[in-house]
Amino acid sequence: RKEVEQDPGPFNVPEGATVAFNCTYSNSASQSFFWYRQDCRKEPKLLMSVYSSGNEDGRFTAQLNRASQYISLLIRDSKLSDSATYLCVVNMRTGNQFYFGTGTSLTVIP
Amino acid sequence: EPEVTQTPSHQVTQMGQEVILRCVPISNHLYFYWYRQILGQKVEFLVSFYNNEISEKSEIFDDQFSVERPDGSNFTLKIRSTKLEDSAMYFCASSSTLNQPQHFGDGTRLSIL
Repeated sequence: RKEVEQDPGPFNVPEGATVAFNCTYSNSASQSFFWYRQDCRKEPKLLMSVYSSGNEDGRFTAQLNRASQYISLLIRDSKLSDSATYLCVVNMRTGNQFYFGTGTSLTVIP
Repeated sequence: EPEVTQTPSHQVTQMGQEVILRCVPISNHLYFYWYRQILGQKVEFLVSFYNNEISEKSEIFDDQFSVERPDGSNFTLKIRSTKLEDSAMYFCASSSTLNQPQHFGDGTRLSIL
């Protein structure tokens, strides 16, 4: 089983839509979870950390389900500028080695 | 906002040559990382560095790779005797403490001919 798995998509949604991505991880001892976004041929940029109680930042909501070992990202009221690849990132073992998912591609259509 | 800077932005090298990729992490960060991303593939962890030594490394980080913090600001990745399959984007990242979000530089595109 891969350390981190994501549905690669692509997700094509109209502006204003709500879209959700899931990510599963294999190591139950993982401690830190993040969502990053990556634009084509650019560096990953932190979108948000994921906390046990769930957290929200504007139109973005992240949740963690430790029992089922998955994290999710919900984007409300999608904007054209949300078009990117969304990367799920999880730390492993001692906490100093981070694993990236393959990314989920999102295109928001006018 | 402080940022991680990487040089050069693009490096073209003949197979078998040595390359050094340079990074200046955010100044008050203590943990430093190198990742690579082969075109069209996922970001892969190479190595983490803390307190002047490697703390973790992946299977990719074999004997041809080394890292160094030669002074108080630079963090370098050296690849000895490059291979065609080393062609990728190499990202440096840093974080303030363990388990905190990592901030990425904009990468060095390495092309091996």
